[in-house]
Amino acid sequence: GENVEQHPSTLSVQEGDSAVIKCTYSDSASNYFPWYKQELGKGPQLIIDIRSNVGEKKDQRIAVTLNKTAKHFSLHITETQPEDSAVYFCAASTSGAGSYQLTFGKGTKLSVIP
Amino acid sequence: EAQVTQNPRYLITVTGKKLTVTCSQNMNHEYMSWYRQDPGLGLRQIYYSMNVEVTDKGDVPEGYKVSRKEKRNFPLILESPSPNQTSLYFCASSRSGDGRGEQYFGPGTRLTVT
Repeated sequence: GENVEQHPSTLSVQEGDSAVIKCTYSDSASNYFPWYKQELGKGPQLIIDIRSNVGEKKDQRIAVTLNKTAKHFSLHITETQPEDSAVYFCAASTSGAGSYQLTFGKGTKLSVIP
Repeated sequence: EAQVTQNPRYLITVTGKKLTVTCSQNMNHEYMSWYRQDPGLGLRQIYYSMNVEVTDKGDVPEGYKVSRKEKRNFPLILESPSPNQTSLYFCASSRSGDGRGEQYFGPGTRLTVT
């Protein structure tokens, strides 16, 4: 099955700096890559996603890049703010005939220091 | 309000005592899924359902059962819970039947099996 590796597991940045989280996946057939943010005591919430026919996607301060050849994708957060502090999960989809499965990375705890 | 609800939110039980965690969504979503979250392991998919009466195993289905008799409900059943099933459980739903696109997560159920 699919395997998703996520790095780093923890990340501390100063407010206003950029943060980058990287993920690699194993299944070359995967073609959907979402990123979720989980705040303390809550369920994860989608912040951005990318499909394999696109190399980069941006939404305000958040961007995701995808390198299908190398099987890795990254989340970039610019001008970080204290409210960006949370756990971030990358994921990759594995699909077969009539099936769909989402495999998550182990998460990155981001701390933004005011 | 569009949401995914889970009940109970907290549950302490003993080994072997059957339990059910309910999940309901009011968004008429096709796809529903159960995940467990453990420290250092991230989110792992237990079971998912692409439509009524259609369910499939995720990465960690052992010890769990599910059913999808109605579109809105997707209960998680532990026939004989064991301590290694102590975890934080999330139910999620997605409009797309293949699960691609935003998954909306419930608030979580914290289960302790003694």
